[in-house]
Amino acid sequence: DQQVKQNSPSLSVQEGRISILNCDYTNSMFDYFLWYKKYPAEGPTFLISISSIKDKNEDGRFTVFLNKSAKHLSLHIVPSQPGDSAVYFCAASLDQFYFGTGTSLTVIP
Amino acid sequence: EAGVAQSPRYKIIEKRQSVAFWCNPISGHATLYWYQQILGQGPKLLIQFQNNGVVDDSQLPKDRFSAERLKGVDSTLKIQPAKLEDSAVYLCASSLVSDTDTQYFGPGTRLTVL
Repeated sequence: DQQVKQNSPSLSVQEGRISILNCDYTNSMFDYFLWYKKYPAEGPTFLISISSIKDKNEDGRFTVFLNKSAKHLSLHIVPSQPGDSAVYFCAASLDQFYFGTGTSLTVIP
Repeated sequence: EAGVAQSPRYKIIEKRQSVAFWCNPISGHATLYWYQQILGQGPKLLIQFQNNGVVDDSQLPKDRFSAERLKGVDSTLKIQPAKLEDSAVYLCASSLVSDTDTQYFGPGTRLTVL
């Protein structure tokens, strides 16, 4: 039972443009959401988070939006850079972290 | 600050053999997690420790998997005997206290079972 879903396995974006990564969840009890970034042969690294009481959190080029009514989370990266090329996982927290399947982002120079 | 350390980085074994993975969390982190990440999937929690006590092991296949964190610091995860479907990356993570704190991941151990 996949409670957190990332329906796009991959995304390609030109350098300088916006990257939008999407995540859907099924459990309305989730109270905390996170995005992790993963390079090959490395563990995931924390990127940005948002509490369920907020609808937006911004950190530099990264902004996470939360739409609780739609049970939808998105990560915006503006402007995208080649170093952003990685796999991005969204995660939702309740009693534990539930991870999505990941979206592989490629930023084309 | 040193990150989460894991060893070995890679392991290849034959089915029915045993294997053990080691994790050293970030100093001062009370909570330690072991995740299994199968190719093309997100990490799945196997077991969570708070200090040296088990908080959640509901998804650990206890007939073949075991884990311990004896002194509340390092942890080992063992598989005995291994099956083909155990081929995955095993990630260790740690956080300061609770499961809502940010988790910091190690580089993982890639296990291949032949």
